[in-house]
Parts: sequence; C-alpha cells; structure tokens
Amino acid sequence: EAGVAQSPRYKIIEKRQSVAFWCNPISGHATLYWYQQILGQGPKLLIQFQNNGVVDDSQLPKDRFSAERLKGVDSTLKIQPAKLEDSAVYLCASSPTGVRYNSPLHFGNGTRLTVT
Amino acid sequence: QKEVEQNSGPLSVPEGAIASLNCTYSDRGSQSFFWYRQYSGKSPELIMFIYSNGDKEDGRFTAQLNKASQYVSLLIRDSQPSDSATYLCAVKRETSGSRLTFGEGTQLTVNP
Repeated sequence: EAGVAQSPRYKIIEKRQSVAFWCNPISGHATLYWYQQILGQGPKLLIQFQNNGVVDDSQLPKDRFSAERLKGVDSTLKIQPAKLEDSAVYLCASSPTGVRYNSPLHFGNGTRLTVT
Repeated sequence: QKEVEQNSGPLSVPEGAIASLNCTYSDRGSQSFFWYRQYSGKSPELIMFIYSNGDKEDGRFTAQLNKASQYVSLLIRDSQPSDSATYLCAVKRETSGSRLTFGEGTQLTVNP
C-alpha cells in the first residue's frame, strides 16, 4: 500500500511570498487532514476534508491560508502572503474514515517550510 | 487550559527501565485516545489507541485510561535506546467531523 505522498519536502521563501503544498492520500481514504507542526509543538489541525467537503477549518487562518480537495482525492494547501510565524512542518494525513473508532491517521513525510 | 496536556520533558531513563508518559485532557466528551511516536525529523506514527477505561497492552507498551480523571498514560517496559523519540498524546470525540487534537509531546531519551 502506497503511503501519503507530499511535495515538496522542503521550501524556503521570503515573507510576503506565496507557497503551495500538495498531498496525495492513500487510495480509498475518504478523510484528508492538513496539520501544522511548529518546532517543539504538537501538530495543530488546519483543515479536515471528508471526500471533497470541508468538515473542520476552524483553526485555519483564512486571511492567508486556503486549501482545496478537488474530486475528493489529492489536495493543495496555499499560503499567501507568508509570515515568519508560518515557518513549520506541514503534515498531510489521511484515514479511511474520520468518525470510526480505531481509524488511525496515516501521515505523509511533511513539507518543511522556512520563511525568511 | 490546553485541550491536551502532557508531562513536560525531556524525560530520561536508563535502558531496561520503565518509562511513564502522562496525558490529561479537558473535553469530557473525548472517546478515543491515541499515542503517536515521532522520531526527530520524521512524521508521527501510531503506537497504540485505547477507548475503554483500564489497561491495554501491546508488547512492551501499555496504555492506561481513566475517563473519570480525564487521564491517559503510556508505559514502556524494558526501554530501549530505539524508543528515544517524542511521544504525542491525541484525543478525539467519535462524532461526525470530530477533530484529533494533539498534545505538545514529551521527549523521551533512553540512555544505554
């Protein structure tokens, strides 16, 4: 079973620039998550999709962050414009379903973003 | 109050000892509890999940849950240097669209 694919692995940009991350979940997984993990902290959920619908985006800074999951498969997360405090690892995860017991999240390798 | 709090680290134990990692949560509606391990520079990987009060054992790992006290722990017996990592506690409700909320993590070092 292929895992969650993310790209790029690393990205360095200047503040006020824009950046986009891509995620392809495990085949057949209905739920897709984007987490932000700042160094030394636990992952924080940015947005959760069930198929191609948004289930939870309450912690997404919508003035600068946007995400979409067209056709209910792969997803992109965009930051525009970036701030210094956006420097973090952006983790994509997927699960067969978001509501069942014992439905673990499978994480991708993440994208490490550095904003200078 | 943070939704999920873990004992502050770093935690250091000698090889062969028992490592005890603790977690408390604020949402009484939480129903599922997970422990993830994260090696430096890597993504979190699931170690165990528990949703009933009591103990659940899997090899050298034991998860303990006490919903009345809103407390969940992870014991690692016969700790190995390869167990050195950050351990993340995560909780969620089992309702449609529920969010998996992580704690800050506890860094464990097992000394040979």
